[in-house]
Amino acid sequence: DADVTQTPRNRITKTGKRIMLECSQTKGHDRMYWYRQDPGLGLRLIYYSFDVKDINKGEISDGYSVSRQAQAKFSLSLESAIPNQTALYFCATSDTSSGNQPQHFGDGTRLSIL
Amino acid sequence: LAKTTQPISMDSYEGQEVNITCSHNNIATNDYITWYQQFPSQGPRFIIQGYKTKVTNEVASLFIPADRKSSTLSLPRVSLSDTAVYYCLVGVPMDTGRRALTFGSGTRLQVQP
Repeated sequence: DADVTQTPRNRITKTGKRIMLECSQTKGHDRMYWYRQDPGLGLRLIYYSFDVKDINKGEISDGYSVSRQAQAKFSLSLESAIPNQTALYFCATSDTSSGNQPQHFGDGTRLSIL
Repeated sequence: LAKTTQPISMDSYEGQEVNITCSHNNIATNDYITWYQQFPSQGPRFIIQGYKTKVTNEVASLFIPADRKSSTLSLPRVSLSDTAVYYCLVGVPMDTGRRALTFGSGTRLQVQP
């Protein structure tokens, strides 16, 4: 979805480095999410935020932190990257205005940790 | 955590109808059932969502029985471009006490000419 932008699209880094992945959206949605996807597997939820002051852990939050700087921005940080965090990371947004609104995904960030 | 159960993979031929069934025994009263499609190296894309009975859009139909413990995504007359992974989602309880959507492994659909 072009309205959900992830940067960078690709990143290669070394073990122990601090990494920040950024997500911005122009959809005006209040909810934002971070997922990771490993080869051949489904997406796993890392963190989610229902509004600027609300942050919640997902299935696999250990080793990650997030910041919701504004309604439109939600960043994911790896404080000290390790090789098993090599994965494809997706940001998503949804709107709570009515019902269970579907999520809209960015194109992903491919992260490799050496 | 409660999760959905789908077949790992399915094969079909162009022009056929494909039905993918998902089990979600622990669905909550307020949960909707949502299906996504994912192509390699792309984010999942919303296909269809429903709460009960039948929903149809220009892409697919979704059939949900009265007990809502399963659902079936129906893709009419598939083409090669429908080759993708299909995910069924309902809410699951998180440690926070909230329900959030989580993806299972999905169903890998391969459409042959």
